[in-house]
Amino acid sequence: SQELEQSPQSLIVQEGKNLTINCTSSKTLYGLYWYKQKYGEGLIFLMMLQKGGEEKSHEKITAKLDEKKQQSSLHITASQPSHAGIYLCGADKNNNAGNMLTFGGGTRLMVKP
Amino acid sequence: NAGVMQNPRHLVRRRGQEARLRCSPMKGHSHVYWYRQLPEEGLKFMVYLQKENIIDESGMPKERFSAEFPKEGPSILRIQQVVRGDSAAYFCASSGGTGKSPLHFGNGTRLTVT
Repeated sequence: SQELEQSPQSLIVQEGKNLTINCTSSKTLYGLYWYKQKYGEGLIFLMMLQKGGEEKSHEKITAKLDEKKQQSSLHITASQPSHAGIYLCGADKNNNAGNMLTFGGGTRLMVKP
Repeated sequence: NAGVMQNPRHLVRRRGQEARLRCSPMKGHSHVYWYRQLPEEGLKFMVYLQKENIIDESGMPKERFSAEFPKEGPSILRIQQVVRGDSAAYFCASSGGTGKSPLHFGNGTRLTVT
């Protein structure tokens, strides 16, 4: 079965600093999704990447997919306290219709004011 | 324009009781997915349903757990004879199901078994 490894597991950064979270898959990536979860709440969809080399940005968050390396990265520029939370990457279980996602263990981000 | 609605938000059950968790997908979505998040563990897929059909239940424990998504009404995740190890956050997600599209998650039901 597919496994997703996220690194680092936790991260504390000073407000204003940049940071990168990585997600590495044990198998071919058919689609890669980034979500954010705040304590006690559900997952908020951030971005979806489907093609090798694809890069998407939303506000100060950029995600890239390196299909050959079976890896994706999430980069936050000039971090703010509002960026704090748990970031999860999810990958399609297979290439069929439907979205049974396998998730990584998450990266817990804290941003110090 | 309601998102995925789950209820109850919190559920306390004694060992041996039954737990019923409900999920109403986003308007227009006909695909429902249930996930479980155990304390200090990741999010694990349990079951994928479309209206009146179970498409994939490879993540469901073989005993005591069942799920349904009837033609009318919400999807139900049912846990019979709960044990302490069932204590977790259970999340429901929905999608439109046409091609690759992101899952939209509810806020979860936190089950505590005493």
